[in-house]
Amino acid sequence: NFMLTQPHSVSESPGKTVTISCTRSSGSIASNYVQWYQQRPGSSPTTVIYEDNQRPSGVPDRFSGSIDSSSNSASLTISGLKTEDEADYYCQSYDSSNQVFGGGTKLTVL
Amino acid sequence: QITLKESGPTLVKPTQTLTLTCTFSGFSLSTSGVGVGWIRQPPGKALEWLALIYWNDDKRYSPSLKSRLTITKDTSKNQVVLTMTNMDPVDTATYYCAHLYSSSWYYWGQGTLVTVSS
Repeated sequence: NFMLTQPHSVSESPGKTVTISCTRSSGSIASNYVQWYQQRPGSSPTTVIYEDNQRPSGVPDRFSGSIDSSSNSASLTISGLKTEDEADYYCQSYDSSNQVFGGGTKLTVL
Repeated sequence: QITLKESGPTLVKPTQTLTLTCTFSGFSLSTSGVGVGWIRQPPGKALEWLALIYWNDDKRYSPSLKSRLTITKDTSKNQVVLTMTNMDPVDTATYYCAHLYSSSWYYWGQGTLVTVSS
């Protein structure tokens, strides 16, 4: 089994850019797609990035995803931050047997 | 339009068995590549994947909970059922069912809060 490690929290000002990392503990980050979910308080998660870097329809292009094999990590970058982006963000990946979620990152936009 | 909705008890006693039903619409669990699974979230904590069943009845379980979980499907009723045995207060959480296609949990139910208490 592998784990996905995220920073507990990040904060940034409106209009700025923030990047949230997600590091895979074992196995290559490139071997299985990474997804990112946004969860606002009291709501179910919604997908903001799937298959490493694909945006669902309706998700603004301020959201982007990438992977870095050298650090075995994935990243979610949100540019032009808005107060509405304040939420918890979870990365997720899988292997042949398991689905794994990261521990979540609380994004504060202040 | 794909929707999923969880149903089941809101309160269970320690050692009891929890049975949750996910009723979905807008897709068929007999379509190749499709899966439905369960994910839970204790209050104030992270998401934790529990179980997954695929269109071909292939099943996957969280290694840490495998001995306590059973997932089944009824394609004709568009339902997936999760049972979890020997419930404990640490199992108090919001339980979500979700639709898996390719690699993404794209559609989620609203979640149901299950409290384990005597």
